[in-house]
Amino acid sequence: DSGVTQTPKHLITATGQRVTLRCSPRSGDLSVYWYQQSLDQGLQFLIQYYNGEERAKGNILERFSAQQFPDLHSELNLSSLELGDSALYFCASSVEGLAGIKFFGPGTRLTVL
Amino acid sequence: GENVEQHPSTLSVQEGDSAVIKCTYSDSASNYFPWYKQELGKGPQLIIDIRSNVGEKKDQRIAVTLNKTAKHFSLHITETQPEDSAVYFCAAKENYGQNFVFGPGTRLSVLP
Repeated sequence: DSGVTQTPKHLITATGQRVTLRCSPRSGDLSVYWYQQSLDQGLQFLIQYYNGEERAKGNILERFSAQQFPDLHSELNLSSLELGDSALYFCASSVEGLAGIKFFGPGTRLTVL
Repeated sequence: GENVEQHPSTLSVQEGDSAVIKCTYSDSASNYFPWYKQELGKGPQLIIDIRSNVGEKKDQRIAVTLNKTAKHFSLHITETQPEDSAVYFCAAKENYGQNFVFGPGTRLSVLP
């Protein structure tokens, strides 16, 4: 158990819909990362937050957004879903965002039908 | 930006043999190189890492070597066991950013 929790574990929805994925970092970790893992793209960095503020942005679509709340949990919002958005979404956390990512959550498997 | 290549994409070895996975990176300014193991249905787990000021690091049966000049680093697993079967990812950290760029992964199968 990495200490990073993600909910839900599985999510099945239809094209055009909007979903929210939730992540709680390890106790004491201020930085949260979101990654998308699909079969053909591997692990792709989406976005990072540090202590409530956006720190870095990767290949995140405009239809996707995220935020980190004062209690440090983070949410990833995916809207106008397309079939190609089906993937595993991982959250990871680290103490300060400058060191290595040691802890990934178990992931949320999103299926868009 | 950084680009990380990883070979082979699949690797099968007999139990007890060694396994080597190689990665190359493009940004000579990258200074941190972790390796992750991902088992089925789980998130990636950091197994070993190396910084650019070190050429080799070992942790029990796992070792990582780094050649900064050639911009490549390798994961070595000795005395492989069936529980080593998983997908292994290398990554490189961009010097000016917080993003870790991952390789495409290697599926390792250790045959009993």
